[in-house]
Amino acid sequence: NAGVTQTPKFQVLKTGQSMTLQCAQDMNHEYMSWYRQDPGMGLRLIHYSVGAGITDQGEVPNGYNVSRSTTEDFPLRLLSAAPSQTSVYFCASNTISGSEYTGELFFGEGSRLTVL
Amino acid sequence: GQNIDQPTEMTATEGAIVQINCTYQTSGFNGLFWYQQHAGEAPTFLSYNVLDGLEEKGRFSSFLSRSKGYSYLLLKELQMKDSASYLCATMDSNYQLIWGAGTKLIIKP
Repeated sequence: NAGVTQTPKFQVLKTGQSMTLQCAQDMNHEYMSWYRQDPGMGLRLIHYSVGAGITDQGEVPNGYNVSRSTTEDFPLRLLSAAPSQTSVYFCASNTISGSEYTGELFFGEGSRLTVL
Repeated sequence: GQNIDQPTEMTATEGAIVQINCTYQTSGFNGLFWYQQHAGEAPTFLSYNVLDGLEEKGRFSSFLSRSKGYSYLLLKELQMKDSASYLCATMDSNYQLIWGAGTKLIIKP
């Protein structure tokens, strides 16, 4: 199992450009989420999904879009990049119910985004 | 409101014991998590407490007191590889994680 695969690892954008961060998991997890991590702050939830076709907003959703067409994939789209979106982004997944639930979130390796 | 507090930075000596505290106020409570994050890497799961008491896993132990809104992570026999940030997070009534800013632990020889 590859776990959670996140691409790209690094990206530099100019203000106003759009891009998509890809996230895929092969553990058949229902729950997937996107976080951003900024210095001196805790991880902040951007968007999350509890299953294919279902998405919801987290704490800081503005400027980001997501979709969940399959269980495996949960891409994050930046619609018009701004310098305030310079951050490290993490995709995470876990199973949310049943005897397999341990509370553990499985994270991708992270994507470091710089917006100039 | 929802708030998680943990010290910004701690320093300890190799071979010693260190306790990292976390206090929280959240709307609803469905468990408390500790994660380890090495610089430039993703967080990795250490522990999950949903009931009061101490949970031990090798050199790491985690304690929870729900009535006090308090948890700690205890690291014994510190090794240089334990130098990392330790993130405290609670799960609220909507099953969403609320994260503290993390405690950077520096281990000195």
